Amino acid sequence: ETGVTQTPRHLVMGMTNKKSLKCEQHLGHNAMYWYKQSAKKPLELMFVYNFKEQTENNSVPSRFSPECPNSSHLFLHLHTLQPEDSALYLCASSQVRDTYNEQFFGPGTRLTVL
Amino acid sequence: GQNIDQPTEMTATEGAIVQINCTYQTSGFNGLFWYQQHAGEAPTFLSYNVLDGLEEKGRFSSFLSRSKGYSYLLLKELQMKDSASYLCAAGDSNYQLIWGAGTKLIIKP
Repeated sequence: ETGVTQTPRHLVMGMTNKKSLKCEQHLGHNAMYWYKQSAKKPLELMFVYNFKEQTENNSVPSRFSPECPNSSHLFLHLHTLQPEDSALYLCASSQVRDTYNEQFFGPGTRLTVL
Repeated sequence: GQNIDQPTEMTATEGAIVQINCTYQTSGFNGLFWYQQHAGEAPTFLSYNVLDGLEEKGRFSSFLSRSKGYSYLLLKELQMKDSASYLCAAGDSNYQLIWGAGTKLIIKP
């Protein structure tokens, strides 16, 4: 595998379900990001991890819970979601957390909450 | 507040040239990125500007004017495969990227 991978690619869940999204990067990067992408809206940064430490949580509801066990893996645990949480969830990585290095994105997980 | 403005949609003809504009307002400035995103796919990096001027990379060029808070992406010799959304993002003083909503570019034969 190369680049940034995400699983699953598609997920349909009910509001009472618990599920997890997985992201893995094979680039040797130290920063990882979770973004939410809704139609015709800017990318919304949710969480940032730099060297496994969470550096940002942009006022994300607690029904989204990130986990970063090492610099290569990032999870987003989901529980008690709302229909408005339906979106494309993108994972990205960069060498370190700054704005000088490009971010490499995974293909995303298309989430539908019923 | 921080803001990125770019047109929602543009249409151009195969073989032609198109310019996609982006204006930004950020607290501090640490560079401007352009990404390309085909439908259903991941955004991919196109260009990065931190100094004023034009950066050319093959058929694609990106321009930055920091005093005007303005950038554009210039695509030459358009091909059908250039049909995609183009995302503009500016880095602020906290080294966070502020993203635009993207410009959907439609290429017609």
